[in-house]
Amino acid sequence: QKEVEQDPGPLSVPEGAIVSLNCTYSNSAFQYFMWYRQYSRKGPELLMYTYSSGNKEDGRFTAQVDKSSKYISLFIRDSQPSDSATYLCATPGGSNYKLTFGKGTLLTVNP
Amino acid sequence: DGGITQSPKYLFRKEGQNVTLSCEQNLNHDAMYWYRQDPGQGLRLIYYSQIVNDFQKGDIAEGYSVSREKKESFPLTVTSAQKNPTAFYLCASSSARVQETQYFGPGTRLLVL
Repeated sequence: QKEVEQDPGPLSVPEGAIVSLNCTYSNSAFQYFMWYRQYSRKGPELLMYTYSSGNKEDGRFTAQVDKSSKYISLFIRDSQPSDSATYLCATPGGSNYKLTFGKGTLLTVNP
Repeated sequence: DGGITQSPKYLFRKEGQNVTLSCEQNLNHDAMYWYRQDPGQGLRLIYYSQIVNDFQKGDIAEGYSVSREKKESFPLTVTSAQKNPTAFYLCASSSARVQETQYFGPGTRLLVL
C-alpha cells in the first residue's frame, strides 16, 4: 500500500465554488502533512503544513486531518480562476528526510 | 531574494549523451533533493543530500548521478544509462531542523532528440 494516495481528477468547478481536495494515507502514526500547489510548468510551492489532527486555516484555504479515517483534505472557499493548478498532498510518513507525494489533483476554476 | 534556481529551463539530450542539470540555493539549507515528475506519476525522489559531501539514492537513482561539493549546489547528471530521461526535473531544499518542509525550484524540462 502506498503511503499516500490521491484522486488525480481532473476537477472542474465554477468560480466561487467550494472545492474539496482529498488524500488518504496508510499509517495512523503519520503526523505531518503538506499541501503543495503547482501551476503548469512551474515548481510546486508549499501551500499548507499541518501537524497531527484538526484544522488549519489560511485565508480561503483550510487543511484538515482526520486521523481516525486517515484522511487529509484541503478546502478552498470562494474559488478563483487563479486557483487553477495541480494540488499535491505529501507526508514524510515515517522518514526524517523523504517526502512521499500523492499524484496530484488537477483543478480548473472556470470564470 | 532567497530561493532556489535551476538551469537551464529546457535541455535537449542526444542519444548516448550525458547532461547535467544545475541547482543552486541561497536559503542556507543543509538538505537538497532531486525529483523527477512524469505526467500522472507524481514526484519521485532520485537523490537527496543531507550534508555537504554526502548523498543517498532515492527511489529511482538508476541512470543518474549527483555531487554535493558545496552547500549551495547540488547538480544532477543524467547519464546515457537512463533510457527514458524525458521528464520534468525538480530540485528542492530544506532546513535540517524542519526537513519535512521542502521548497522547490522552477524545474528543468529535459527532452530527448
